[in-house]
Amino acid sequence: DTEVTQTPKHLVMGMTNKKSLKCEQHMGHRAMYWYKQKAKKPPELMFVYSYEKLSINESVPSRFSPECPNSSLLNLHLHALQPEDSALYLCASSLQGGYTQYFGPGTRLTVL
Amino acid sequence: QQQVKQSPQSLIVQKGGISIINCAYENTAFDYFPWYQQFPGKGPALLIAIRPDVSEKKEGRFTISFNKSAKQFSLHIMDSQPGDSATYFCAASKEVSGGGADGLTFGKGTHLIIQP
Repeated sequence: DTEVTQTPKHLVMGMTNKKSLKCEQHMGHRAMYWYKQKAKKPPELMFVYSYEKLSINESVPSRFSPECPNSSLLNLHLHALQPEDSALYLCASSLQGGYTQYFGPGTRLTVL
Repeated sequence: QQQVKQSPQSLIVQKGGISIINCAYENTAFDYFPWYQQFPGKGPALLIAIRPDVSEKKEGRFTISFNKSAKQFSLHIMDSQPGDSATYFCAASKEVSGGGADGLTFGKGTHLIIQP
């Protein structure tokens, strides 16, 4: 089973709202990733967690706040987003760094 | 700086034909090269991947050819079917020491259409 689940599937939020995206995997993977994908563009890396520690932050604005509560869960907390933050947010996981990354179905985020 | 260049941007192939997508990379530290298939509104799904110690890998109708000296790799889809119509991304990543992990650097994608 190579399933990564993401909730919610769709999210609409105002610029003053606080919301969270959730990602879960039960494959025993120790590396987890957040990517952002705009329409007709490739995924862009946002954050990497390895063994529950933040390994990479690709200069993402502080209105995006990642959290890795345990080895199976990855959250992305959203606050004071801008309309240009509207995108498909993808979570991925891999056994460890350097191994195959498996993607979830994504959360379609719309910021009004 | 675009570290992985992908071509063509779009491709139309007749059913039963061979689809070929090419990628070139710049960073010689990259040591893992996957291809992903993505349908509209879905997450990318791994098709096939290769490491630099082999020149070719085949899985069903999908083949990766890898040229380390030229820093190029390509995806061949044999007997292309309408269900293969999707966006294809090549990607690359490198090993990180000390238990770390590297994200994927993606090419810009190829929109493939297989005409019946």
